[in-house]
Amino acid sequence: AQSVTQLDSQVPVFEEAPVELRCNYSSSVSVYLFWYVQYPNQGLQLLLKYLSGSTLVESINGFEAEFNKSQTSFHLRKPSVHISDTAEYFCAVRGRGYSTLTFGKGTMLLVSP
Amino acid sequence: EAGVTQSPTHLIKTRGQQATLRCSPISGHTSVYWYQQALGLGLQFLLWYDEGEERNRGNFPPRFSGRQFPNYSSELNVNALELEDSALYLCASSWGDAGGPDTQYFGPGTRLTVL
Repeated sequence: AQSVTQLDSQVPVFEEAPVELRCNYSSSVSVYLFWYVQYPNQGLQLLLKYLSGSTLVESINGFEAEFNKSQTSFHLRKPSVHISDTAEYFCAVRGRGYSTLTFGKGTMLLVSP
Repeated sequence: EAGVTQSPTHLIKTRGQQATLRCSPISGHTSVYWYQQALGLGLQFLLWYDEGEERNRGNFPPRFSGRQFPNYSSELNVNALELEDSALYLCASSWGDAGGPDTQYFGPGTRLTVL
């Protein structure tokens, strides 16, 4: 079985500041890792994913995440946030050989001017 | 290419009634997953269908059921509705490479309100 911990339920930041959303996971098998974003009153959108290969993965809108196997982490970062990044961010894990995603509780990113 | 679609967008029912939610996967995807996002409980896995069969089930009572049709669309049925069933129900689809590097893509959800 897998589990995901997102330590911060809410992260307030000012526009153009850097941000890091933390995600730690637990699993007895190798994993695939995902970050999804949920804008108000919408479904989940895939932001980025780690399947294999390079441990640093990037999204088209400036977010990046690094898979750290020794620390069992997959933190999400952005060097400069915009107001439009305000949303809830979910980290998810799927164990290799397993079919279903396990989600963290989510982190609400609040960007203010 | 069209994404995952769900209908209806909103559904209001009273306690004890039945609700039916529908999902159409991305073209070519054979697997459909259902998740419940209830306030304070986060996202919880409900059901997984692949090639018309139920492959896995989360920790939900039997009154949560569903099916997958030959065109891979899916239906989630919730019988004997209870107040705590009020939630956003999200459907996701994937290529069906269970256990492999498969990515789930989500629809916009159906907001179910039980009065």
